[in-house]
Amino acid sequence: GAGVSQTPSNKVTEKGKYVELRCDPISGHTALYWYRQSLGQGPEFLIYFQGTGAADDSGLPNDRFFAVRPEGSVSTLKIQRTERGDSAVYLCASRGNRESELFFGEGSRLTVL
Amino acid sequence: KQEVTQIPAALSVPEGENLVLNCSFTDSAIYNLQWFRQDPGKGLTSLLLIQSSQREQTSGRLNASLDKSSGRSTLYIAASQPGDSATYLCAVGRGSTLGRLYFGRGTQLTVWP
Repeated sequence: GAGVSQTPSNKVTEKGKYVELRCDPISGHTALYWYRQSLGQGPEFLIYFQGTGAADDSGLPNDRFFAVRPEGSVSTLKIQRTERGDSAVYLCASRGNRESELFFGEGSRLTVL
Repeated sequence: KQEVTQIPAALSVPEGENLVLNCSFTDSAIYNLQWFRQDPGKGLTSLLLIQSSQREQTSGRLNASLDKSSGRSTLYIAASQPGDSATYLCAVGRGSTLGRLYFGRGTQLTVWP
């Protein structure tokens, strides 16, 4: 695609529910990143994929958070037993193999009531 | 851990002024530094990317400089316009390989006509 696409753009859920957020990177980009941004803060790193494998998942806050990228393209961020503190904008970014510039999607705004 | 600080947190200026936004980082062993723009409710748009071996990059009215040894970067905006109003984020990639970026909290810029 022309840019990084994220769905849904907005998600409202209740505490304790399960949520999936999807990211479709720029076609051909091998590296994919998930970040989380709270109001008034800079983006906070969650996980980085190179191809299908997670090259760095040190930013995942706890075991309720999990991400996959089974075919090396689309990625899904999964959050179990959501808590109010999980409310944030979840940003996805991708990068080409020979480039170091990161391209971001518009984000998925998650609100946990 | 890499800490990124941006000063000022907010800036409000009349149209036409030349501006300097500052970014500092604690670990000088960086791979690259990237400046982003973020409009309210939107994702991040890449403005300039400086590799660790470079001193500056220019794009139109924007110029970014990098002083690795002192852990500083500045973003210079010439002849500011109301359309420049946005939050500007600085991010550094640490180490010798491409991976996660560490972000500052941003500078919220308002340019009034």
